[in-house]
Formats: sequence, structure tokens, C-alpha cells
Amino acid sequence: DSGVTQTPKHLITATGQRVTLRCSPRSGDLSVYWYQQSLDQGLQFLIQYYNGEERAKGNILERFSAQQFPDLHSELNLSSLELGDSALYFCASSVGGAWTGELFFGEGSRLTVL
Amino acid sequence: DAKTTQPTSMDCAEGRAANLPCNHSTISGNEYVYWYRQIHSQGPQYIIHGLKNNETNEMASLIITEDRKSSTLILPHATLRDTAVYYCIAGSYGKLTFGQGTILTVHP
Repeated sequence: DSGVTQTPKHLITATGQRVTLRCSPRSGDLSVYWYQQSLDQGLQFLIQYYNGEERAKGNILERFSAQQFPDLHSELNLSSLELGDSALYFCASSVGGAWTGELFFGEGSRLTVL
Repeated sequence: DAKTTQPTSMDCAEGRAANLPCNHSTISGNEYVYWYRQIHSQGPQYIIHGLKNNETNEMASLIITEDRKSSTLILPHATLRDTAVYYCIAGSYGKLTFGQGTILTVHP
């Protein structure tokens, strides 16, 4: 158990819909990262937040957005969903102060778009 | 992040050492070498990282060549539970770029 909690574990929805994925980082971790893993693209970095502020951006679509709240939990919002958005979405956290090299990943949220 | 090259798959007998190679010839001076693994569809798990010195922890050893263009992850006594995809990443700080990794299969 990494200490990172993601909900929901599984989600099935239709094209055009909007969903929100939630992540609670390990206690004390200030940085949250979102990754997308699909069969054809591998594990892709989407976005990082540090203590409520966006810190780095990767291959995140404009239809996707994220935020980190004062209690440090984070949400990833996916809108106008397409079939190709079906994937495993992982959240990870790290201490955020001195970089230790270690990201702690949650178990992921599996999104299926029909 | 520098690009890394890993073999697509490797096999190892249980109880033997598993040596996983990685090439990162374009690594820059401030980039670390990280190793993570992913068992089935679980979240990736950190194994070890290093800059230029060899590193060892309770899970594995990391050997980095002097020119830093390649490295080897060593699992000293592989078990069936070490069967996973192993990712070698060259990068800095938290924005890590995962490649396709090496599928390590440990056989009884």
C-alpha cells in the first residue's frame, strides 16, 4: 500500500460525458502528479501540482483539467470524453520539498468510454 | 528527459540474479537514472535511482557506467513476484517520462 488513494477504481461512461477522478496523496506529500496509461501510448505524464499550484505540464489535452485543493487532494476532470480516453489514470505523490527520486503511485482509476 | 533504450523482454530463473540493461546515451549532467517497475496493472513502484555512483538498497543494485551512457539494474535473487515491467527513466525531478520498459519474466 503506497498510501495514495484514488477513487473511483472503475468508471464506465459514454462518449461526450464528463468525469472527475479523485486522488488523496500520502500524508505530508505536497506534490501530486497525474499519469495516463493506455495500451498504445504507455505511461504518459499529464500534470503536476505542488501545494496547490501547477508546477509542470505534460501531454494533457485541453479537454482535461486538474486542480489541487487546500487539503492537498487533487481532482482530474475529463470532459467531452472520446473512446480514445479509455485508459488507466494514475495519481502519484511525492514529498515535494527536497526531491528524493521517489514517486508513490496509487492503484489507478480505470476509465472505460463506450 | 533523455531517451532510454531497453530490451523488450528478458527471462530469468528463480533464485538467480536478473540484470536489466538500459542505454541513455543522451543523458545530461543533471539528470538522474531512475528505475520503476509495474506488476500487472498496479501502480508503478519505485525501485532505485542514482546520478553517477553505484547505488544499492534492499530491493536492488544500480550500476551506472563512468560515462553515464548506460546502466544496469540488478535484482540479486529474483523471485516469481519480481515478474513485472521494469522502466528505466533518465530525468530530473518529478516529471518522469516512462518508456515501454522491459518485461521481465521469472521462471520457476
